[in-house]
Amino acid sequence: KAGVTQTPRYLIKTRGQQVTLSCSPISGHRSVSWYQQTPGQGLQFLFEYFSETQRNKGNFPGRFSGRQFSNSRSEMNVSTLELGDSALYLCASSFNNEKLFFGSGTQLSVL
Amino acid sequence: DAKTTQPNSMESNEEEPVHLPCNHSTISGTDYIHWYRQLPSQGPEYVIHGLTSNVNNRMASLAIAEDRKSSTLILHRATLRDAAVYYCILREGNSGYSTLTFGKGTMLLVSP
Repeated sequence: KAGVTQTPRYLIKTRGQQVTLSCSPISGHRSVSWYQQTPGQGLQFLFEYFSETQRNKGNFPGRFSGRQFSNSRSEMNVSTLELGDSALYLCASSFNNEKLFFGSGTQLSVL
Repeated sequence: DAKTTQPNSMESNEEEPVHLPCNHSTISGTDYIHWYRQLPSQGPEYVIHGLTSNVNNRMASLAIAEDRKSSTLILHRATLRDAAVYYCILREGNSGYSTLTFGKGTMLLVSP
């Protein structure tokens, strides 16, 4: 069974731009959640989607948004990028909320 | 979410057992104790979880104190591949959400 796939693996953007990250969950998993990891703040929860609906949200500004498609694939978008948005963005999928399976992440650098 | 306290780092030698402690004195009756680890350049990986009884799987064992205010993740024979940051996380059993609240974790260093 294929694991959680995140694309792209690396991304470089400049301040003010926007970016879209993609996540394909494990087949059969309907829950997809997103996390931001930085050296200073560690791993922080962004939001979670289940059956195309956002059912939980972390404490991030509205510039961070996401969506989930009918095939459970998910995208997250960050608009008006700031230097502080440089981070590893991780996606996780889950079948029954018991265990989360993480992808390898997208490393975003904002210049 | 109830908080956990873990040592910042621990060291071990290869092929020796490792005991990673976690304190969670404010744990509630419905909180499950989960452990994840993150190897370098990878996303976190599920290790084990439990509620009250000790648990074993192919990766590790989880020993839970009788009062549930602390737990210990046990790696029976550490290998170099076990060098990672280990996170102890409490999850509400009935939350209905797939959400994890990560702390700083314990960085495990394994020497040959």
